[in-house]
Amino acid sequence: TQLLEQSPQFLSIQEGENLTVYCNSSSVFSSLQWYRQEPGEGPVLLVTVVTGGEVKKLKRLTFQFGDARKDSSLHITAAQPGDTGLYLCAGGTNYGQNFVFGPGTRLSVLP
Amino acid sequence: DTEVTQTPKHLVMGMTNKKSLKCEQHMGHRAMYWYKQKAKKPPELMFVYSYEKLSINESVPSRFSPECPNSSLLNLHLHALQPEDSALYLCASSLSARSGQPQHFGDGTRLSIL
Repeated sequence: TQLLEQSPQFLSIQEGENLTVYCNSSSVFSSLQWYRQEPGEGPVLLVTVVTGGEVKKLKRLTFQFGDARKDSSLHITAAQPGDTGLYLCAGGTNYGQNFVFGPGTRLSVLP
Repeated sequence: DTEVTQTPKHLVMGMTNKKSLKCEQHMGHRAMYWYKQKAKKPPELMFVYSYEKLSINESVPSRFSPECPNSSLLNLHLHALQPEDSALYLCASSLSARSGQPQHFGDGTRLSIL
């Protein structure tokens, strides 16, 4: 069974601060996806990374896929209260089998 | 607004009831998924349909019965559920079931079993 770990579990910061959350596994993934979920809603896809070493930017969010495709990070610059939510990484290896979510990082950005 | 629509948004049912959850997408996606999410936990995969055929059943009890009438619709039939089945049930779709395809989620049905 492939497992994804995320750290930290919880993060509470002030508006304007920078932060990084991590997603790690001992398994190699063909791709990893990052989602944000707000209360009462389904997860919303932020990005998919597929190539080892890949870096993708989405406004103030920077996503990186590890060279060995076992880990990923999400860096947020100048966090805003609207960034508050549950950040989930998810990955799979083959045709949807063993597609798993990490436990998530719950981020709270205080005004 | 999500492009995956789930109904109903909330459902309360007794343990002897039979009900169905519905999911619809019109993005031309050929893979559809059911997930179960308990409070403060990540979604757990239940079923995967690929081209309207069930391709993955993650050891889900038979009191949950999925159905894919066509490429746009996915149902989850519920019967004789237990209180521990109370959760948020999420539907998702992707272009195909191939790993790496982004999944688009609905907002879920919040199910409470009395």
